[in-house]
Amino acid sequence: EVQLVESGGGLEQPGRSLRLSCTTSGFSFDDYAMNWVRQAPGKGLEWAGFIRSKAYGGTAEYAASVKGRFIISRDDSKSIAYLQMNSLKTEDTAVYYCTRSRAAAGPDNFDYWGQGTLVTVSS
Amino acid sequence: DIQMTQSPSAMSASVGDRVTITCRASQGINNYLAWFQQKPGKVPKRLIYGSSSLQSGVPSRFSGSGSGTEFTLTISNLQPEDFATYYCLQHDTYPWTFGQGTKVEIK
Repeated sequence: EVQLVESGGGLEQPGRSLRLSCTTSGFSFDDYAMNWVRQAPGKGLEWAGFIRSKAYGGTAEYAASVKGRFIISRDDSKSIAYLQMNSLKTEDTAVYYCTRSRAAAGPDNFDYWGQGTLVTVSS
Repeated sequence: DIQMTQSPSAMSASVGDRVTITCRASQGINNYLAWFQQKPGKVPKRLIYGSSSLQSGVPSRFSGSGSGTEFTLTISNLQPEDFATYYCLQHDTYPWTFGQGTKVEIK
């Protein structure tokens, strides 16, 4: 059974850092890119970024709103993706989801999601 | 960035109605478009991938169509469990972008 479980959310002050984890099981993690999608309270979905699989270079892409502050990484030996969130802003307050994807427009894109972890940035 | 303009932003419909939601992309995105359903407090659920392929297990009353810059999600014979918010997502060009969502409410 495919599972994705986010952890690491919580309350943090503006300017501080937080690291989220997405622990996965039930599929070949190293074959997939891993995405982070966030949703501010009462708002829509926002793609925050993703990291490619090692076969595609293992590099990351980011939304403009987080670029330069957030870093996505992965540990294929543990099947975990990470979201390092630095220089937090109040507008980063959101539920953060991880979801998998692969190249092309096939069935393996955004088919499984974690349950989400809430990040609250407030002084 | 590619803008995904989703319409309408909200709508009221009755059980049994046919509902159409549209996403227009600011430039061509091939068929790299997915549709999601989200209910309050729940995780988004993928309905359609590749603009028109139905996710396994999703009822056949859901269908997707379109190409290039205009895409449509159609729900025929709307059921009580279909009242939710729907989002499109383009994953052709970075940054990938969601539509702003369409809330389907009970009339």
